[in-house]
Amino acid sequence: QQQVKQSPQSLIVQKGGISIINCAYENTAFDYFPWYQQFPGKGPALLIAIRPDVSEKKEGRFTISFNKSAKQFSLHIMDSQPGDSATYFCAASSNAGNMLTFGGGTRLMVKP
Amino acid sequence: NAGVMQNPRHLVRRRGQEARLRCSPMKGHSHVYWYRQLPEEGLKFMVYLQKENIIDESGMPKERFSAEFPKEGPSILRIQQVVRGDSAAYFCASSISGQSYGYTFGSGTRLTVV
Repeated sequence: QQQVKQSPQSLIVQKGGISIINCAYENTAFDYFPWYQQFPGKGPALLIAIRPDVSEKKEGRFTISFNKSAKQFSLHIMDSQPGDSATYFCAASSNAGNMLTFGGGTRLMVKP
Repeated sequence: NAGVMQNPRHLVRRRGQEARLRCSPMKGHSHVYWYRQLPEEGLKFMVYLQKENIIDESGMPKERFSAEFPKEGPSILRIQQVVRGDSAAYFCASSISGQSYGYTFGSGTRLTVV
C-alpha cells in the first residue's frame, strides 16, 4: 500500500534532449507528489511538486504530469543539460501523515 | 540563514560500537524527521520528532536505534552496537509546520561500519 515504484533506475540523455522519469503509486490516500534532486554527497532538494487536483505543473524546464486514474506521475526535463546530471527521486505523502514515501531513484546522466 | 546542519558528515565505527548522529534544524523549525538511505536505494522514513516528543517512530528498527529532540540542542539519532547492515546515509529534515511539503533536508551523515 505504501510503495512508490520508480523507473528507469538509470537514464542517459544527450544534451538538449528530454529526460522522462516515471513513478507509480498504490495508496489512493496520497495527495502530495514531490520530486527531489540529489547531487553526490548532498541531501535531496525539492525540485517541483504537484497535488492531484491538477494534471500538469510546469516550472521552467521541469514538468510534472499526473494521471490520477492510473495512479502514475512523471517528471519531464526539457532541454536537458549536463548540470542536470543527478539522482532524481519521486515521493508521495498523504495529508494524514507527515512522512514521505520515496521511489528508488533514477540516476540521470546528460552527455555533452 | 543556515540550512539543516548535520554532523558529522562521515562516521566510521567498528562493529559493536555506538554511533551518534546530530541534526540541528533550520532556525524556526521545530519538527525533525530522520530518513535512512541504503546504497542504490531511496530514502526510508525512520522517525518524526517535535521538541521533547517522538510523534511517529513507525520506521525505526525495534532494537538498537533511538532518537531524541531535547528542548535545547540538536536532535540525536543513536545506534547502539552497530552492525555492517547499518552502513548507510542518514538524512535529517526539518519543517515549520509538520507537513511533508515543508521539508528541508540536511546533507546527511554517511555511516560506515567496519
